[in-house]
Amino acid sequence: AQSVSQHNHHVILSEAASLELGCNYSYGGTVNLFWYVQYPGQHLQLLLKYFSGDPLVKGIKGFEAEFIKSKFSFNLRKPSVQWSDTAEYFCALDKIIFGSGTRLSIRP
Amino acid sequence: NAGVTQTPKFQVLKTGQSMTLQCAQDMNHEYMSWYRQDPGMGLRLIHYSVGAGITDQGEVPNGYNVSRSTTEDFPLRLLSAAPSQTSVYFCASSYSSRGFLYEQYFGPGTRLTVT
Repeated sequence: AQSVSQHNHHVILSEAASLELGCNYSYGGTVNLFWYVQYPGQHLQLLLKYFSGDPLVKGIKGFEAEFIKSKFSFNLRKPSVQWSDTAEYFCALDKIIFGSGTRLSIRP
Repeated sequence: NAGVTQTPKFQVLKTGQSMTLQCAQDMNHEYMSWYRQDPGMGLRLIHYSVGAGITDQGEVPNGYNVSRSTTEDFPLRLLSAAPSQTSVYFCASSYSSRGFLYEQYFGPGTRLTVT
């Protein structure tokens, strides 16, 4: 069965710290992968996406993600987080499957 | 473009009442879906549609009905509301090609409380 796992449920960081949120998927075929962000009180917005080609994809607001096919992973990274990055982050597989989300809290 | 719109934004129902959550998109997307979001459970797919006249069940379809008579609209009906259906509901749409979905565009959500 297809699935997406996000093992970090809640991550707390200080401003300027580096961020890496894990995402692993289970699907044997070709995939499109996404990261969405949900700021407090808002709806989900696309952060970045991977369809094919360069496995390192860059998104908005300084976020990037690396697709590692051998590890079935698509981890989200940001070198230096800001307080405004406080949000919930969802990894998704194009087969309409979402991970359970990771809540990111940034200490000012 | 208005994108994906949902109405109402908030709703309180009594157990046993029925209602319809409206969703519309103006991007000519074939694919539309309904999710519910509950704390600690992420987004769970209720129903989806790959085009007008075609709907299918997602992960948690019980207690909900959908129809897709036009490309633009995808209403979600609660047949007999239960407290377990208290949640935030999101509608989304996406362009799809050859079986792949591109990014989904989400509506602002409907916060439903069933007492």
